[in-house]
Amino acid sequence: QVHLQESGPGVVEASQTLSLICTVSGDSIRTGSHNWSWLRQSAGAGLEWLGRVQVNGMTETDGDGDTDYNPSFYNRLTISLDMSNNRFSLSLRSVTAADTAVYFCAKTRVPSPPGRSFETWGQGTLVTVSS
Amino acid sequence: AMQLTQSPSSLSASVGDRITITCRASHYINNDLAWFQQKPGKAPRLLIYGASILEGGVSTRFSGTGSGTDFTLTISSLQTEDFATYFCLQDYSGYSFGQGTKLEI
Repeated sequence: QVHLQESGPGVVEASQTLSLICTVSGDSIRTGSHNWSWLRQSAGAGLEWLGRVQVNGMTETDGDGDTDYNPSFYNRLTISLDMSNNRFSLSLRSVTAADTAVYFCAKTRVPSPPGRSFETWGQGTLVTVSS
Repeated sequence: AMQLTQSPSSLSASVGDRITITCRASHYINNDLAWFQQKPGKAPRLLIYGASILEGGVSTRFSGTGSGTDFTLTISSLQTEDFATYFCLQDYSGYSFGQGTKLEI
């Protein structure tokens, strides 16, 4: 049974960097059989996909991997792999109150059938941006 | 940008009722639509993908129909554990989510 668990600070000061980790158990992120996404949910914007990372054939070290980002976050978002610990991370820079949300990590099989994205999710972690 | 309009936003029902939730896409999305169930503090759960394919382990009380732009999720006979929030997702063009439907007793 695959399990994803988000972790990180519950409060981040405005203009600082929000950093979260998603620890994966029951599956290996090294295999490349899935991609690994971050999403968030807020009262104002609803659910949003932030970006994803996937191991490619050349990935050997932590941090490497193919990434794809939502254009709305492209200039301040980094998602990277930590294969040693079977986890991946999110770093969102220059946060504002609009970044207050519940953040989820999720996995998607590659390739996936149509409409079967985000087959497994973590339970989410609330991050509040304080001013 | 692709938008999904989900209705109703909330719904009151009783155990044993049959209910339907709709999701309308602003543009054609073939059958690239999924339905999820979300309970407070829990991970969202995939119920249906490909508009009508039941995910493994999901009760046959749940069913999905539709193609193109109009989709429905039906729960045939509500059980206590079904009271939750439901949302749709399209992955035909990027990703878009419906606003959610809160199903209450």
